[in-house]
Amino acid sequence: KAGVTQTPRYLIKTRGQQVTLSCSPISGHRSVSWYQQTPGQGLQFLFEYFSETQRNKGNFPGRFSGRQFSNSRSEMNVSTLELGDSALYLCASSLATATYEQYFGPGTRLTVT
Amino acid sequence: GQQVMQIPQYQHVQEGEDFTTYCNSSTTLSNIQWYKQRPGGHPVFLIQLVKSGEVKKQKRLTFQFGEAKKNSSLHITATQTTDVGTYFCAATNNNDMRFGAGTRLTVKP
Repeated sequence: KAGVTQTPRYLIKTRGQQVTLSCSPISGHRSVSWYQQTPGQGLQFLFEYFSETQRNKGNFPGRFSGRQFSNSRSEMNVSTLELGDSALYLCASSLATATYEQYFGPGTRLTVT
Repeated sequence: GQQVMQIPQYQHVQEGEDFTTYCNSSTTLSNIQWYKQRPGGHPVFLIQLVKSGEVKKQKRLTFQFGEAKKNSSLHITATQTTDVGTYFCAATNNNDMRFGAGTRLTVKP
């Protein structure tokens, strides 16, 4: 069974731009969660989607948004990028909810200059 | 809201020594999961604990869930260089899951 895939793997953007990251979950998994990982802050939960509906949301500003499609693929968007948005963005899929075991993708390394 | 504390933040051991990381929650948990992230990699699921007082073993790794379901520990016996990485707990309370800050383990050969 193919694992979680994320595209792109690396991205360099400048302040003020916007970015869209993509995540394809494991086949059959309906829950997709997004996390931001930075050296100082660890794994910070962004949001969880299940059946195209946002089920949970972390403490991030409205510049961070996401969506899930009918095939469970998910995208997250960050608008008006700031230097502090530089991080590894991880996507994780699970069978039913994020409280089940999660399978993480390799992440997208975003650098904002 | 729920708070999850994981200690220690860092642990450096000599190969062959034991290692333990602790995860403590301010609330009673539905379950707790443990993940390992190798340097440069992504978190990988290790185990989930659900029952009060539960103890599970995976080779040299022993996972415990406290009787009050508010804390958990991961113990590695006789560490090896392959154990290097950051160990995270993920604690769930009423469908609210939070990751601990992680314990970064380094092993000196």
